Amino acid sequence: TQLLEQSPQFLSIQEGENLTVYCNSSSVFSSLQWYRQEPGEGPVLLVTVVTGGEVKKLKRLTFQFGDARKDSSLHITAAQPGDTGLYLCADIIQGAQKLVFGQGTRLTINP
Amino acid sequence: GAGVSQSPRYKVAKRGQDVALRCDPISGHVSLFWYQQALGQGPEFLTYFQNEAQLDKSGLPSDRFFAERPEGSVSTLKIQRTQQEDSAVYLCASSLGGESYNEQFFGPGTRLTVL
Repeated sequence: TQLLEQSPQFLSIQEGENLTVYCNSSSVFSSLQWYRQEPGEGPVLLVTVVTGGEVKKLKRLTFQFGDARKDSSLHITAAQPGDTGLYLCADIIQGAQKLVFGQGTRLTINP
Repeated sequence: GAGVSQSPRYKVAKRGQDVALRCDPISGHVSLFWYQQALGQGPEFLTYFQNEAQLDKSGLPSDRFFAERPEGSVSTLKIQRTQQEDSAVYLCASSLGGESYNEQFFGPGTRLTVL
């Protein structure tokens, strides 16, 4: 059974600072997704990465997929209070259609 | 709104009661998924429908959990004889379906508290 470990579990920083959170898998990812979930809402997809070494940018967010496709990082530049939320990584289980999620990193950006 | 909707948003049940949670997927979406999210954890897969057919129920934790989608649209997750460990947020997601993976869109969830 695939296990996804996210670190840190909790992170609280000041507005304007930079941060990086990590996702590591016990096995090679099929396709890795990053989601953000706000309180009282469902997860919202941020990005999907497929190729080892791939880097994708979404405004102030930079997503990196490890060369061996077993790890990923999410870097946020100049964090804003609106970035607050639970960041989840997930693997797409091909053929089974379902997602396997990590436990998430709970990020708080203080004004 | 054209998103996934779930009802009720909050449900409090006494231990031993039966509950029914409803999911209205995005119109035209063939696939529907249920996930369970315990406090402080990521979502865990429960079951998956393609139209009215339940193709995967491997994540249902016990035979007290039952899901249906009789007309291939609205789905209901039923939990019989609720236990305290059933307390969680139950998320529904839908997607266009098909042989290859399509993005899943999540509803806001139903928060179930079993006393």
